[in-house]
Amino acid sequence: DAGITQSPRHKVTETGTPVTLRCHQTENHRYMYWYRQDPGHGLRLIHYSYGVKDTDKGEVSDGYSVSRSKTEDFLLTLESATSSQTSVYFCAITPDLNQPQHFGDGTRLSIL
Amino acid sequence: RKEVEQDPGPFNVPEGATVAFNCTYSNSASQSFFWYRQDCRKEPKLLMSVYSSGNEDGRFTAQLNRASQYISLLIRDSKLSDSATYLCVVNFRDSNYQLIWGAGTKLIIKP
Repeated sequence: DAGITQSPRHKVTETGTPVTLRCHQTENHRYMYWYRQDPGHGLRLIHYSYGVKDTDKGEVSDGYSVSRSKTEDFLLTLESATSSQTSVYFCAITPDLNQPQHFGDGTRLSIL
Repeated sequence: RKEVEQDPGPFNVPEGATVAFNCTYSNSASQSFFWYRQDCRKEPKLLMSVYSSGNEDGRFTAQLNRASQYISLLIRDSKLSDSATYLCVVNFRDSNYQLIWGAGTKLIIKP
């Protein structure tokens, strides 16, 4: 399996608080992605990165920001968490756009 | 119209049977195609890439039909452990680094 670690694995927090999720890879892959997955919606792209300090928005980026200061780490921040951001968050990596993506174990986030 | 469409199912299939499902895509400028499986509350895992000539991996066969813009997955001699959701994924040439994901087809293998 690809070396991807997501942290934390589970988190419960309150509305209005900031939350940061971390994705760490040991594969030196260029591309990194953050998805959320909700029942009935499948995987939806939040943000992605195509290199250090190079990021762009995905389909559902409102309320989220990202940073990639080094190749191995891609951080997702919920600036002020809302209950609609309760979801399962997956990080994925790939070395090349024509190669498949490999996923971390996911983070289950509950906003109360 | 969604860019990548799958029948959500569920497909209820007896153990040992053959099952097939398709995934249609809207953009003819598509380069790469993949099938993933996802178990309940787990991360998606790559099942197989789909090549123009079709490819087989044990009991699984994937095919690509560019003219009709769909990919298919065939599972022979289905096992209870094949129960999962199967996601199809397409890389459009103009998708700006993104893969486009189908919502998945749920498969339930019954004893």
